[in-house]
Amino acid sequence: QVQLVQSGAEVKKPGASVKVSCKASGYNLSSYGITWVRQAPGQGLEWMGWITTYNVNTNYAQNLQGRVTMATDSSSSTAYMELRSLRSDDTAVYYCARVGSKYGADAFDIWGQGTMVTVS
Amino acid sequence: QSVLTQPPSASGTPGQRVTISCSGSRSNIGSNTVIWYQQLPGTTPKLLIYSTNQRPSGVPDRFSGSKSGTSASLAISGLQSEDEADYYCAAWDDTLHAVVFGGGTKLTVL
Repeated sequence: QVQLVQSGAEVKKPGASVKVSCKASGYNLSSYGITWVRQAPGQGLEWMGWITTYNVNTNYAQNLQGRVTMATDSSSSTAYMELRSLRSDDTAVYYCARVGSKYGADAFDIWGQGTMVTVS
Repeated sequence: QSVLTQPPSASGTPGQRVTISCSGSRSNIGSNTVIWYQQLPGTTPKLLIYSTNQRPSGVPDRFSGSKSGTSASLAISGLQSEDEADYYCAAWDDTLHAVVFGGGTKLTVL
C-alpha cells in the first residue's frame, strides 16, 4: 500500500525551529519528488516547495526562502522539512505529498496525514 | 490573497450540476495545466483532476474539468451529499516559479 506517514504534532516557541518527517512506504521514495503544503487553521492550501528525485533540486516558495529546508534520506525512505525562526503565523497543518507520478509533474497524488505545528 | 481566484462558496441540491470557477492569468492557467483537489471535512486533500481534464483512477466521471484562456472550471454532475467538501484549484506559475493554489470553494449540498 502506497502511503506517506508523517511525524506527530509539535508545539514550538516563536523563534524556534521544527523538523517534520514524512516516511514513504509501498514505493521507492527516490523515484518521485516530495512536496510540502501547509494549511493554517480554517484557511486554504499554501505550497511551500518541493524536492525532486535523488535530491537533484529543491524549489522553495519565495516567502519561505531562507527559513525552510527540504531533504530526503533514501536509506530510510524519509523526507524532511525544517522550518526555522518560527512565527505565530506558521501555525498550520503541514502536509507532505508525492509529486511526479503518472499524473504529471505538478499533481500531488499521495498525501501524508498531516502534522499540526503550533507556534505559541 | 491567493494567486488563483475561486468563489468562497457554492451550493446545489442532490442530482443537480454545479460548477466551480478558478480564475488566473497568462503565467499560470494560461500557460499550464490545472489541478483540482477535493478536501472532505477533517481529511487530507485528494487529487481529483489532473492535466486540466483528466481523472485519476477511482474518481467518478461525475467530476470533470475544463479550461478556457486564463480560467478553469470544475463541474460536478449528479450532485451527491458526499460531495460536500472544499475544492481547490492549482497550477504552476511560470513567473513565480511556484505552484499556486486558489483560495478554495466550500461546496454545500442542500
